[in-house]
Amino acid sequence: DSGVTQTPKHLITATGQRVTLRCSPRSGDLSVYWYQQSLDQGLQFLIQYYNGEERAKGNILERFSAQQFPDLHSELNLSSLELGDSALYFCASSVSGTRLSTDTQYFGPGTRLTVL
Amino acid sequence: LAKTTQPISMDSYEGQEVNITCSHNNIATNDYITWYQQFPSQGPRFIIQGYKTKVTNEVASLFIPADRKSSTLSLPRVSLSDTAVYYCLVTTGAYSGGGADGLTFGKGTHLIIQP
Repeated sequence: DSGVTQTPKHLITATGQRVTLRCSPRSGDLSVYWYQQSLDQGLQFLIQYYNGEERAKGNILERFSAQQFPDLHSELNLSSLELGDSALYFCASSVSGTRLSTDTQYFGPGTRLTVL
Repeated sequence: LAKTTQPISMDSYEGQEVNITCSHNNIATNDYITWYQQFPSQGPRFIIQGYKTKVTNEVASLFIPADRKSSTLSLPRVSLSDTAVYYCLVTTGAYSGGGADGLTFGKGTHLIIQP
C-alpha cells in the first residue's frame, strides 16, 4: 500500500459525458501527478500540481483539467469523453516535486475508466 | 532532457540474474537515473535510483558507467513474481519550470520470468 488513494476504482460512462477522478496523496506529500495509461501504451504524464499550483504539464488534452485543493487532494476532470479516453488513470504523490531528480513518486491503485 | 531507450521485452528463468540496460545518451550533469516496476493493473513502484557508479538496495542493483550514457538494472535470482514492466527514467536535477520530460515513463521493458 503506497498511501495514495484514488476513487472511484472503476468508472463506466458514455461518450460525451463528464467525470471527476479523485486522488488523496500520502500524508505530508505536497505534489500530485496525474498519468494516463491506455492499452498497449506507456504511462503518459498529464499534469503535476505542487501545493495547490500547477507545476508541470504533459500531454493533457484541453478537455481535461485538474486542480489541487488546500487539503492537497486533487481532482482530474475529464469532459466530452470519447471512446479513446478509456484507460487507467493513475495519481502519484511525492514529498516536494521541486527537485525532480530525487523525488520518488508513490502511485495510487488507479481508476479504470471505460467510455462506451 | 535525455530520452531513454530500453528493450521492449526480455525473458529469463527463475533463479537467474537479469540485467536490463537503458540508454540515455543525452543525460545532463544534474540528471539522475530512476527505475520503476509495474505489475498489471497496478501503479508503478520505485525500485532504485542512482547518479553514478553502483547503487544497491534490498531489491536490485543499478550500475552506471563513468560516461553515464547508459545504466543497467540488475535483479538477482529472479522469481516468477518479478514478471512485470520495468521503466527507466532520467529525472532532472533542478526543476526548470513547465518541463515534464523527466516524468516520461515510455513503454518500459516487459520482463517475463519462466519456471
